[in-house]
Amino acid sequence: QKEVEQNSGPLSVPEGAIASLNCTYSDRGSQSFFWYRQYSGKSPELIMSIYSNGDKEDGRFTAQLNKASQYVSLLIRDSQPSDSATYLCAVRPGGYNKLIFGAGTRLAVHP
Amino acid sequence: NAGVTQTPKFQVLKTGQSMTLQCAQDMNHNSMYWYRQDPGMGLRLIYYSASEGTTDKGEVPNGYNVSRLNKREFSLRLESAAPSQTSVYFCASSEAQLAGVGEQYFGPGTRLTVT
Repeated sequence: QKEVEQNSGPLSVPEGAIASLNCTYSDRGSQSFFWYRQYSGKSPELIMSIYSNGDKEDGRFTAQLNKASQYVSLLIRDSQPSDSATYLCAVRPGGYNKLIFGAGTRLAVHP
Repeated sequence: NAGVTQTPKFQVLKTGQSMTLQCAQDMNHNSMYWYRQDPGMGLRLIYYSASEGTTDKGEVPNGYNVSRLNKREFSLRLESAAPSQTSVYFCASSEAQLAGVGEQYFGPGTRLTVT
């Protein structure tokens, strides 16, 4: 069974700090990695994708991928209360037309 | 564009009843998915359709059936509902296969309670 693991949290950070969210995956053949954000009672929305080792930056968000260690992370700089949500890590196993999601990490940004 | 729409938004069933959850997308996407989300479990894939005319099982297919009616519509049927199927159900779609699979757009969800 291919697995994606995340710490459920909650991860509590003060406003303006850097929030660091981590995810590990079991399938070494995985090719594509994604971060979704889900506000309470709402549907998930894609915020970042990363396909190769290294960092990818988009505004206040940076996704980091290390395929050798099988982990992917999401950094949120200058965290805002509006970033308070559950962040879902998703992985596409190699050769499959589907995603495997982690259980999500709940982030709480307090003023 | 409405994106991905789901009906109904809420539903209460008694054990043993059947129902069909409807999903439609207007983005001309090839692939469509059904997930369920339970507290602490994240999103679990029930069934997916990589392209019109194909369907495949996901992680938790037991107790469900699907129909890809056409490119726009993908329905999920519960033949004999059980309390364990109480959950929030999300439909999603994506434009492409393989690399494009991860860019999924989600509907608003259906909250189903089985008593």
